[in-house]
Amino acid sequence: KQEVTQIPAALSVPEGENLVLNCSFTDSAIYNLQWFRQDPGKGLTSLLLIQSSQREQTSGRLNASLDKSSGRSTLYIAASQPGDSATYLCAAYGGATNKLIFGTGTLLAVQP
Amino acid sequence: DVKVTQSSRYLVKRTGEKVFLECVQDMDHENMFWYRQDPGLGLRLIYFSYDVKMKEKGDIPEGYSVSREKKERFSLILESASTNQTSMYLCASSFTRDQPQHFGDGTRLSIL
Repeated sequence: KQEVTQIPAALSVPEGENLVLNCSFTDSAIYNLQWFRQDPGKGLTSLLLIQSSQREQTSGRLNASLDKSSGRSTLYIAASQPGDSATYLCAAYGGATNKLIFGTGTLLAVQP
Repeated sequence: DVKVTQSSRYLVKRTGEKVFLECVQDMDHENMFWYRQDPGLGLRLIYFSYDVKMKEKGDIPEGYSVSREKKERFSLILESASTNQTSMYLCASSFTRDQPQHFGDGTRLSIL
């Protein structure tokens, strides 16, 4: 059974800092790994999707990497801003379940 | 941009009531999903649908049913609401199973 874990559960950084959010998954037979952002009381916004054949994806200040063999993905945020404050969730698709399995998220606070 | 619209942001109902949560997407997506989100448990899949009039159980279908009479609309039904169904409910849609899922803003449901 696929399990997705995100560490840390919460992170506070000063504005301008580069940061890394971590995601690990137990079943490496995934089709893709997705990163989402969730603002308080809102739905999820898709940020990046990395196919199993890819090593990384970039969008603006965001860069996501995928290492299937070790069951890990990271989301790198460059030059963080207060507007980046939100909960970030990763989700693995595929493997035995053929469903999107979510981690419980990392709550990020960027202090001005 | 994909638009997924959930009919209510907040809803308060009483135990034993039959509750309908509606979700509409405007991008002709084949796939639609219903999740619930609870603190510490993350997002859990209730039901999903890959085509009109087609439905499949997710991980926690007990106490719920769904209806998909038209491609753009996916309804979640609480047959007899109970207090343990108090939660945030999120609807999502995607073009194919492995493409990014697009989420609505959620319905915060309270069962008294």
